[in-house]
Amino acid sequence: EDQVTQSPEALRLQEGESSSLNCSYTVSGLRGLFWYRQDPGKGPEFLFTLYSAGEEKEKERLKATLTKKESFLHITAPKPEDSATYLCAVQAMLTGGGNKLTFGTGTQLKVEL
Amino acid sequence: GAGVSQTPSNKVTEKGKYVELRCDPISGHTALYWYRQSLGQGPEFLIYFQGTGAADDSGLPNDRFFAVRPEGSVSTLKIQRTERGDSAVYLCASSHDSNSPLHFGNGTRLTVT
Repeated sequence: EDQVTQSPEALRLQEGESSSLNCSYTVSGLRGLFWYRQDPGKGPEFLFTLYSAGEEKEKERLKATLTKKESFLHITAPKPEDSATYLCAVQAMLTGGGNKLTFGTGTQLKVEL
Repeated sequence: GAGVSQTPSNKVTEKGKYVELRCDPISGHTALYWYRQSLGQGPEFLIYFQGTGAADDSGLPNDRFFAVRPEGSVSTLKIQRTERGDSAVYLCASSHDSNSPLHFGNGTRLTVT
C-alpha cells in the first residue's frame, strides 16, 4: 500500500527565512509525485509534478526536488502570502487508467512579518 | 467559470437522511474524481470517472455511497442513510486526461448531526 509521510506537521517562519518541507514516500513503482497548496476553506491547488529522481521544478519562491525515497519543497525568502497547507501526493494507476493520488497529511506553514 | 464548481458549499443534514453533492468539472475535462477530506487529513480517493462510466470505485467506503456522471460532464455523489462519520469535506477534481494533474474544486462541507 502506498504511503506518504510529511514533516514537519506545522512550521512557523519569519518573512525571508528560507526552509524546506519534507515528503517521504513508499510506493510500488512511482509514476509521479505531486505538490499541492491548500488554503483554508479551499480545494488543493496544483503546484508541481515530479517524475524521476534528480528532477527539480521551480515556481516563484518554491522549488521541488525528488529523490528515490523523498521529496523536498524548498521555500526561499517566504512572504506571508505563502502561508498555507502544503500537501504531497504520490500517483498510482487506477483500474481503467485513471490517476489515483495518495496524499500525506500536509505541512501547515505560517509566515509572519 | 474556469474552475471546478461544487454545490452546495455547505450541507447540514440529520443522521439517516439522503444527500446529493454536485460537481461541475472544467469544460473539456474527461476525467473526474471524488475525494473526501477529514479535518487535519489529506484527501482520500473515492471514485474515478472516465467519460460517463465509473472506471474505478474502489475508494467508496460502503454501499451507501454512489456516484453518477450520466452525460460525461456534471457528476453527483449520493449518500444514503447518512451517518455522523460521513461528516467531511467532499472534493471533486477533474483533469484533461488520465495523465494530467488533477484540478480540485473548493469542496462541499458535509455535516451530519
